[in-house]
Amino acid sequence: GDSVTQMEGPVTLSEEAFLTINCTYTATGYPSLFWYVQYPGEGLQLLLKATKADDKGSNKGFEATYRKETTSFHLEKGSVQVSDSAVYFCALSDPGRDDKIIFGKGTRLHILP
Amino acid sequence: IAGITQAPTSQILAAGRRMTLRCTQDMRHNAMYWYRQDLGLGLRLIHYSNTAGTTGKGEVPDGYSVSRANTDDFPLTLASAVPSQTSVYFCASSASDRAPNEQFFGPGTRLTVL
Repeated sequence: GDSVTQMEGPVTLSEEAFLTINCTYTATGYPSLFWYVQYPGEGLQLLLKATKADDKGSNKGFEATYRKETTSFHLEKGSVQVSDSAVYFCALSDPGRDDKIIFGKGTRLHILP
Repeated sequence: IAGITQAPTSQILAAGRRMTLRCTQDMRHNAMYWYRQDLGLGLRLIHYSNTAGTTGKGEVPDGYSVSRANTDDFPLTLASAVPSQTSVYFCASSASDRAPNEQFFGPGTRLTVL
C-alpha cells in the first residue's frame, strides 16, 4: 500500500545551519506531494506542494523537489531560524487511492539560537 | 470566523461517557476529515466526508461516528469513550476530495479519557 517514510527526529540544529529532512514515498498512482508544518499548540498548515515530477515547491525559504526516479521529496532550507522550530510532516495524495492524504510520522525540528 | 474552528480545546472524560467533538468551517469546502495524532504514529484518518450527506471510514474508524448534515459542520462522536482514545484530534477540510487535495486544519482538541 501507499506509505510515506521520513527521517526520525528530533533534529537539532544551530541557527543559520543548512536543513535537510528526508522523505521517500511509495504509491500505486501518480501522487501529489506535500510538506506540512505544525507549530507548537497548533494544527498543521501546508508549507509547500508539488504535483508532478521535477516540480519544485517553495515557501518561506523552504523548498522540495519531486523526484520520481528516487521516489523522494526532501525538504531543504539554506539557513534556518529559531522560528522554524516545529514538527514537519511529509505527505502524499494518491489518485489511485481516492486522493486521501497519507502522512509520514513527522520530524521534530529544534533550532538553537 | 475564518477557517476551521474546533470545540472544545481540551477535555478530560471518564471512560464510558459519550462525547462529541465539534468542527465548523466557513470556507464552503466540500470535503472534511477527522484525524487523530498520537506520538510516534503521525496523523491517522478516522472518518471523512467528500460532500454534505456522505461519510466514509478512514484508517481507524472503530469507536467513532460522524455525520455531515450540512456543508459547514462535521461533528465526531465517541459513543462510549475508552482510554485508548486519548489523543489530539484534528478536523480538516479541502475544497475538493480530488488531487492535489490541499487540506486546511483546525487547531485541534486534546482529549484525555481516564
